[in-house]
Amino acid sequence: EAQVTQNPRYLITVTGKKLTVTCSQNMNHEYMSWYRQDPGLGLRQIYYSMNVEVTDKGDVPEGYKVSRKEKRNFPLILESPSPNQTSLYFCASSHGPGYNEQFFGPGTRLTVL
Amino acid sequence: QQPVQSPQAVILREGEDAVINCSSSKALYSVHWYRQKHGEAPVFLMILLKGGEQKGHEKISASFNEKKQQSSLYLTASQLSYSGTYFCGTEAHTGNQFYFGTGTSLTVIP
Repeated sequence: EAQVTQNPRYLITVTGKKLTVTCSQNMNHEYMSWYRQDPGLGLRQIYYSMNVEVTDKGDVPEGYKVSRKEKRNFPLILESPSPNQTSLYFCASSHGPGYNEQFFGPGTRLTVL
Repeated sequence: QQPVQSPQAVILREGEDAVINCSSSKALYSVHWYRQKHGEAPVFLMILLKGGEQKGHEKISASFNEKKQQSSLYLTASQLSYSGTYFCGTEAHTGNQFYFGTGTSLTVIP
């Protein structure tokens, strides 16, 4: 089954404790992206990757890191989480950002205390 | 460059029609539409491309006015299953970064 998987689905952590949210897709997509969703603000892009070893900042990259060592995986790293990073995070993938639909993972709800 | 959607929220009775609008201050190269049900991930509805090409959901229609940098999503004869939050999305002029609108909450009641 074609899908995007994320882990963990739920995470409660404390300020400053490094964490990684994994994302994996099995559709051989070149383009992968991380979004955060907050009430009233919609989905905002954090980072995106056009292909392996090619990543770039989205609209709200501060406090986040990503890497793309393999085509299928695109982990999101919060090296020193803060309470303002409490949010719902989605990973998405597609063949390209403009003319192709994006497939979303199930989401990760993160709470930083 | 985040697109602006209107209305922010709408409540319909089953069978009624609705229009959701999306506008941008920047030139649009394509417009995407997604629907998100509560607690779930966004799901693709359709893409509208410059020149009139469309890809997507057979039962949903939309328009794309390139000159006005606007798109509208038309939901006709609404069903309870249409309830959710609708997002439009566009890519940056470079074609790499992607922007979603703030969403329109649609509630269909019996």
